[in-house]
Amino acid sequence: ELKVEQNPLFLSMQEGKNYTIYCNYSTTSDRLYWYRQDPGKSLESLFVLLSNGAVKQEGRLMASLDTKARLSTLHITAAVHDLSATYFCAVAPSTNAGKSTFGDGTTLTVKP
Amino acid sequence: DTAVSQTPKYLVTQMGNDKSIKCEQNLGHDTMYWYKQDSKKFLKIMFSYNNKELIINETVPNRFSPKSPDKAHLNLHINSLELGDSAVYFCASSQVTGGRQYFGPGTRLTVT
Repeated sequence: ELKVEQNPLFLSMQEGKNYTIYCNYSTTSDRLYWYRQDPGKSLESLFVLLSNGAVKQEGRLMASLDTKARLSTLHITAAVHDLSATYFCAVAPSTNAGKSTFGDGTTLTVKP
Repeated sequence: DTAVSQTPKYLVTQMGNDKSIKCEQNLGHDTMYWYKQDSKKFLKIMFSYNNKELIINETVPNRFSPKSPDKAHLNLHINSLELGDSAVYFCASSQVTGGRQYFGPGTRLTVT
């Protein structure tokens, strides 16, 4: 059974600081997703990482994938209050591209 | 135009009732999904259809039955509702199985 572990689960940071959220998974996969969810809202797809070494950036967020280490990171640069949300990673096994298993989510609070 | 829509947005019903949630996507995607998010925000895939064919059927009680009348629609029917079915149900779609997913606004189901 595929297990996905995110850490930290809660993150409080000041505006302007940098931080990284980690996503470890237990089974061979070459497909990893990052989502953002605001309180009471739906999920927004941030990144889809499809190969080892993939790196994608949008604004202050950068995601990377190391399939050999079974690790993805979501790096936040110079955080701003608008980034406060819950971030989920999800992993699909190589054998079943549509069957995502989600991490527990990281709730990020950015304080002024 | 809403890309992925769900109806209803809120559903309050009593134990033992039968209810349906509807989902429609106007993105021309081939694959659609149902997810359940519980009160602790854990997300779990339930079903997935590709071109009207069921491709993912997770360990879900038989009381849950998906139906895809065409590629743009995926409905979820739930029989004999139980308290534990209370959750937010999200529909999503992707162009291909395993591709970037676009989520609907969610249906908050409360069983009393």
